[in-house]
Parts: sequence; C-alpha cells; structure tokens
Amino acid sequence: AQSVAQPEDQVNVAEGNPLTVKCTYSVSGNPYLFWYVQYPNRGLQFLLKYITGDNLVKGSYGFEAEFNKSQTSFHLKKPSALVSDSALYFCAANAGNNRKLIWGLGTSLAVNP
Amino acid sequence: EADIYQTPRYLVIGTGKKITLECSQTMGHDKMYWYQQDPGMELHLIHYSYGVNSTEKGDLSSESTVSRIRTEHFPLTLESARPSHTSQYLCASSGHGQGADEQYFGPGTRLTVT
Repeated sequence: AQSVAQPEDQVNVAEGNPLTVKCTYSVSGNPYLFWYVQYPNRGLQFLLKYITGDNLVKGSYGFEAEFNKSQTSFHLKKPSALVSDSALYFCAANAGNNRKLIWGLGTSLAVNP
Repeated sequence: EADIYQTPRYLVIGTGKKITLECSQTMGHDKMYWYQQDPGMELHLIHYSYGVNSTEKGDLSSESTVSRIRTEHFPLTLESARPSHTSQYLCASSGHGQGADEQYFGPGTRLTVT
C-alpha cells in the first residue's frame, strides 16, 4: 500500500536554530511531493512541492525541502526557526496521474523563544 | 491568498438535524475535495470531484453526500447529524494538472453536534 510517513509527532526547536521536519514516502513511480502548514485555528496552506528537476525545492516563508530518491525522503528544512513557525506540518505525495493525495499524519512543530 | 470560501465557519446543531456545509471557489478549478479533520490530527478524504456531475467517495467512510452541479460550488450535506459527526470539515480545490497541482484550502467549518 502506498503511504507517507512522518516519523515524529512533535518537533521542538529553539528560535534561531535550524529545523528539520522529516517525511518519507512509499509511492509507486515518480511521485509528486508536497508540504503544507496549518497554523492554529486555520486551514491548510501550501508551502512547496517537488515535481522534477533540482532536488532542493524552495518555498514560502523561507522553507525548503530536499528530495532524496534513494532514501525516499522529502524532509522540510529552515535555516533559522521563528516562533511564528510553530504549527502543524503535513507531508503529502501523489503518484503521477493519481489526483488524490496521500497524506502523512502531521508533525507538530514548536519553536521556543 | 487562495479564493476558496466555506460557510458557516462554526456551527452548533442538535442531533437529527439536516445540515449543508457550503464551499465555493473562484479559481475555475476542476477538482474539489472535502476532508474531515479532528483538531491537531490527520486529514481524512471523505469526498472528491473531478468536475461537474462527477463525485466520488473518499478513503474515509462518511454518511455525508456531496453534489457538483456547478464548477465553483461543492456543498456537503448531512441528512441527520449525530455527535460522531463533530469535527472540522475542510474544503479544497486544485487545478488542471495531473496530480502536480497543489490543493488550495478553505478556512474550514467547525461542526459541533449536540
């Protein structure tokens, strides 16, 4: 079965430190990969996606993600975390022509001042 | 900012009532989706549509129904609300690409059934 795993339920990081939110996938073919963020009491917002090409993808709010085909990973990163980055982060994958997304369970990021 | 709207934002209703959650988008997107999400938890796809007069059930069994008579409108109806339906409902839409398009989400409807 196809799946997306976010192995950490929660990540804690100090403000100003780099952050990483992990995502691995098990999807057939060449997947499209996405990161979304959900701030408290709000809907989801698209952050970035990998379709093809450069393995390092840059997105909104200073976030970036690195696609690693051999490790089937798509970790989200930011060089310097802000308190305002505290939110719920979801990784998702789409197997080519399949129009439904396969969602991870989400990782709660807490950035401490 | 995505142009996708949901009403109402909050709804408290008694058991057995019929409710319709509204979702509209002004982006001309073919594909629309309904997700159910308990606070801070994972997303569950309950319905989706690839275009007018096309609707499919999602991965999570739901007692709700949907319709897609117009491209921009994708309402979700519960014929008889129950406390187990208490949750947040998120509507989303995406464009014409074959899976490569990101989904745009509405602000959600938080439903409480008493």
